[in-house]
Amino acid sequence: NAGVTQTPKFQVLKTGQSMTLQCAQDMNHNSMYWYRQDPGMGLRLIYYSASEGTTDKGEVPNGYNVSRLNKREFSLRLESAAPSQTSVYFCASSVTAYNEQFFGPGTRLTVL
Amino acid sequence: QKEVEQNSGPLSVPEGAIASLNCTYSDRGSQSFFWYRQYSGKSPELIMSIYSNGDKEDGRFTAQLNKASQYVSLLIRDSQPSDSATYLCAVKGMDSSYKLIFGSGTRLLVRP
Repeated sequence: NAGVTQTPKFQVLKTGQSMTLQCAQDMNHNSMYWYRQDPGMGLRLIYYSASEGTTDKGEVPNGYNVSRLNKREFSLRLESAAPSQTSVYFCASSVTAYNEQFFGPGTRLTVL
Repeated sequence: QKEVEQNSGPLSVPEGAIASLNCTYSDRGSQSFFWYRQYSGKSPELIMSIYSNGDKEDGRFTAQLNKASQYVSLLIRDSQPSDSATYLCAVKGMDSSYKLIFGSGTRLLVRP
């Protein structure tokens, strides 16, 4: 039981490049989330998926898109990376949207 | 005004002492409260959840909730150097949003 896994662990992009962050969970959770964490800002919700087939914007969705591929997988895409998107990205999941969230190991992204 | 506030610290306590971490929140309708521990360079790890007024104990950890005063606290008894980390308070409101609001965290240092 791996819990929540994320790939890649580290990534360096140039401004304007695109990439997709992958997240998968094996806990049969219905809800999945993407956060970013910046120094002094805490964790901020980018997008979430309350259940398979649904996605909704969080607090800071601009510049991102998501896909809930199936119940296990939830990906985050940066279409045209900007230096302001340099951050640590965490994926999380929960049984339902009302339960505790469990986090993946994170992806450290630098945009030059 | 920040919705969930924590003192950034660092809170420094000697080994064996009780560490007291506090969190206040602005949404009076909040229903669910969580404490996460985050080691440097790692992802948040859930350590406690509390939903009703009073105390909840789990090993060396006690969460305390006072909805009337809108604060939640975490006590760590017999603090160990391995408890040195940043502790994040997270609060979920009772509205239809699935958003979990995180504080910026309190850094705890346990001195040997």
